[in-house]
Amino acid sequence: DGGITQSPKYLFRKEGQNVTLSCEQNLNHDAMYWYRQDPGQGLRLIYYSQIVNDFQKGDIAEGYSVSREKKESFPLTVTSAQKNPTAFYLCASSSGAKAFFGQGTRLTVV
Amino acid sequence: GEDVEQSLFLSVREGDSSVINCTYTDSSSTYLYWYKQEPGAGLQLLTYIFSNMDMKQDQRLTVLLNKKDKHLSLRIADTQTGDSAIYFCAESNTGGFKTIFGAGTRLFVKA
Repeated sequence: DGGITQSPKYLFRKEGQNVTLSCEQNLNHDAMYWYRQDPGQGLRLIYYSQIVNDFQKGDIAEGYSVSREKKESFPLTVTSAQKNPTAFYLCASSSGAKAFFGQGTRLTVV
Repeated sequence: GEDVEQSLFLSVREGDSSVINCTYTDSSSTYLYWYKQEPGAGLQLLTYIFSNMDMKQDQRLTVLLNKKDKHLSLRIADTQTGDSAIYFCAESNTGGFKTIFGAGTRLFVKA
């Protein structure tokens, strides 16, 4: 089955820790994205990548980092510099006008 | 900057039609989307419309676009309990990059 896989589904982070969220797609899409979703708000773009080895900051990139070493993979690291990381994180990839989303990772700071 | 607005809640009875409305500010929007999100899940693309279209119908879904008023609506005919979800309106002028999402409308379907 083609699609986007995010892991883990739930993640708990202690304050001061870096954590990495995984996103893998087998749709052969060039473009991949990371969004953050907070209750009652729309999705906000963290980072996006149009091609391997290239990525751009979105609207709320501070405290996050990404890499794009392979077409299939676009991991997101939430660093200790992100002061309010508790949220639902969604990865997406797109081909033309259609974007496809993963099932999300819920990150909680404990 | 660009913005997309939609009401946060809508409640309908099973079997009725649901109409979810959205307004956007970017007059250069090329694509307008409707996504569905079920609890704890990612977003599912329901349908999208190009800005040069007025209407698109896909089974129970009808999308209407009033480009002059920058108003987009999603009508779900014969609403079922399985349609209960959050519906996001979104717009993009680049076919995917820098897509702007609304806050989502939570649809409650009463049996």
